[in-house]
Amino acid sequence: NAGVTQTPKFQVLKTGQSMTLQCAQDMNHEYMSWYRQDPGMGLRLIHYSVGAGITDQGEVPNGYNVSRSTTEDFPLRLLSAAPSQTSVYFCASSLSRTYEQYFGPGTRLTVT
Amino acid sequence: AQKVTQAQTEISVVEKEDVTLDCVYETRDTTYYLFWYKQPPSGELVFLIRRNSFDEQNEISGRYSWNFQKSTSSFNFTITASQVVDSAVYFCALSEQGGADGLTFGKGTHLIIQP
Repeated sequence: NAGVTQTPKFQVLKTGQSMTLQCAQDMNHEYMSWYRQDPGMGLRLIHYSVGAGITDQGEVPNGYNVSRSTTEDFPLRLLSAAPSQTSVYFCASSLSRTYEQYFGPGTRLTVT
Repeated sequence: AQKVTQAQTEISVVEKEDVTLDCVYETRDTTYYLFWYKQPPSGELVFLIRRNSFDEQNEISGRYSWNFQKSTSSFNFTITASQVVDSAVYFCALSEQGGADGLTFGKGTHLIIQP
């Protein structure tokens, strides 16, 4: 099992550009989520999904979009990148919201 | 609203010392789950433990132990005989049974083990 995979590992964007961070899991988990990690802030929830076709907003959803067309994939879209979105992004999956979440390796995004 | 506080931003100890990382949480739910994660310098997040609110037994796993006390809303993590490989950022997190969101994380404690 690959677990949770994320691509790319690193990305540099210019302000206003859009991009999609990919996330996939092969554990047949229903629950998937996206977090961002900023220095001194811990991890904050951006969006989550409790199953294919169902998504909802977390604590910091502005500027991000998600969809969940399959159980395996949960991409995160940045609509118009801003320097405030410079961060490390982690995707996670679990059996449900209250079970331990397994994290991908992260994507380090820089917006200039 | 749920909240997790890790008051220790950074702790530095010499190898073989015991060290305790504090975690205090706030929740209105009677059923909730507490977690600890480790983030080594390589950056990945490693799951360490999950504990539900009805199980107050202390847990020991090798050199790691966890003390859950509902009376003080704390879920502290102790490393016995610390080693350099324990150097990492440690996060405590909370999930409410009745909540809608995912994990609420503390801001983390950076643990430095000096040889």
